[in-house]
Amino acid sequence: DTGVSQDPRHKITKRGQNVTFRCDPISEHNRLYWYRQTLGQGPEFLTYFQNEAQLEKSRLLSDRFSAERPKGSFSTLEIQRTEQGDSAMYLCASSGLGDSDYGYTFGSGTRLTVV
Amino acid sequence: AQSVSQHNHHVILSEAASLELGCNYSYGGTVNLFWYVQYPGQHLQLLLKYFSGDPLVKGIKGFEAEFIKSKFSFNLRKPSVQWSDTAEYFCAVNPDSSYKLIFGSGTRLLVRP
Repeated sequence: DTGVSQDPRHKITKRGQNVTFRCDPISEHNRLYWYRQTLGQGPEFLTYFQNEAQLEKSRLLSDRFSAERPKGSFSTLEIQRTEQGDSAMYLCASSGLGDSDYGYTFGSGTRLTVV
Repeated sequence: AQSVSQHNHHVILSEAASLELGCNYSYGGTVNLFWYVQYPGQHLQLLLKYFSGDPLVKGIKGFEAEFIKSKFSFNLRKPSVQWSDTAEYFCAVNPDSSYKLIFGSGTRLLVRP
């Protein structure tokens, strides 16, 4: 396992369309996180899962956003009725048990452009 | 609200110069502290972390950071930078041992050869 994988790397969509991103965490990691990063800013927390349970959601995650992790392995992040303000880099990260718990491993991200 | 401030948005140094990047956080409780680095075209990588104990922590590639609780600071240092240290550096805080990270806005470091 070489790390956290995200697919696609880039997505261009028209305003109003739905998009879905996928994240495959490191296989032995039970925690999975989604962050959003816009130009000139640090990553902003969106949500996190422990196994298949979604334990925390940010206020940034409007009702157009939904995330799932059905079997406690990969996760999907869906954005419905995309808006131009959704354009950003969407980052996934995972962490496991023990001392490394708080040290995330990040994926390379999915860059979303809404036109 | 909890926040992390990184004072320098852009830093330009010559090789062999010393580096110090500032990071302050606003949270009065227990925190875990991190520095992440993002090299051009690469994903975020953990540089170092502080949970407890010795407030001077050493990370990879010769970086270190000092936690000063009274100043709510966790500044990153390196005695002698290299061209390969050109990257964006993010400070992050984990308040109350939650799993959520709060990031600063980042500092872009350019090291001139």
